[in-house]
Amino acid sequence: DIQMTQSPSSLSASVGDRVTITCRASQSISSYLNWYQQKPKKAPKLLIYAASSLQTGVPSRFSGSGSGTDFTLTISNLQPEDFATYYCQQSYSTPLTFGGGTTVEVK
Amino acid sequence: EVQLLESGGGLIQAGNSLRLSCAASGFTFSSHAMSWVRQAPGKGLECVSSISGTGGSTYYADSVKGRFTISRDNSKNTLYLQMSSLRAEDTAVYYCAKGGRDGYNQPSSNWFDPWGQGTLVTVSS
Repeated sequence: DIQMTQSPSSLSASVGDRVTITCRASQSISSYLNWYQQKPKKAPKLLIYAASSLQTGVPSRFSGSGSGTDFTLTISNLQPEDFATYYCQQSYSTPLTFGGGTTVEVK
Repeated sequence: EVQLLESGGGLIQAGNSLRLSCAASGFTFSSHAMSWVRQAPGKGLECVSSISGTGGSTYYADSVKGRFTISRDNSKNTLYLQMSSLRAEDTAVYYCAKGGRDGYNQPSSNWFDPWGQGTLVTVSS
């Protein structure tokens, strides 16, 4: 199985900050990497698919990059509604696996 | 509008069985892979099972292999998860999720979009 490792597990930030979350795969997954946002008591929401494609309706302050084993999610100009937990997920092969999550908290 | 509505969760004793359902609407159900993703209390996400659009291919996490069975009824636009030999560690919110890639009905090379609201399964030991 492909292991996904996210870092950091949590971070503190302020509105307006630029935030970067990293995700590393245990083997190459090409660009089959997706990012989700989850708020408390809510279902996850797709932000980025195929490493860098922004899902329709998602603000352009969210961006994704990377290929192979190393990926990043960047939130530029952090907004109050962006405080949440973020997960990466590989779809290169089954079983489909997620990273452990990164919680973005208010500083 | 795509809608996914899970049902069937509840409190159940360890060792027993439970079947979850996910009623889908707003899209051509048979054209999309579907998955069940769970989240234990305070923990991260785990994809426990996926199924291709035709139902001909199924996939399971090692943690549930041999105990859970995923299926779909494309005539009823409904996804199922039959869970047996339930354990305390199966306690979680179970979400169904649609494969978001149009024109492609396999779980791999795909993404989860959207997700249902989830149904809570609590296994008591």
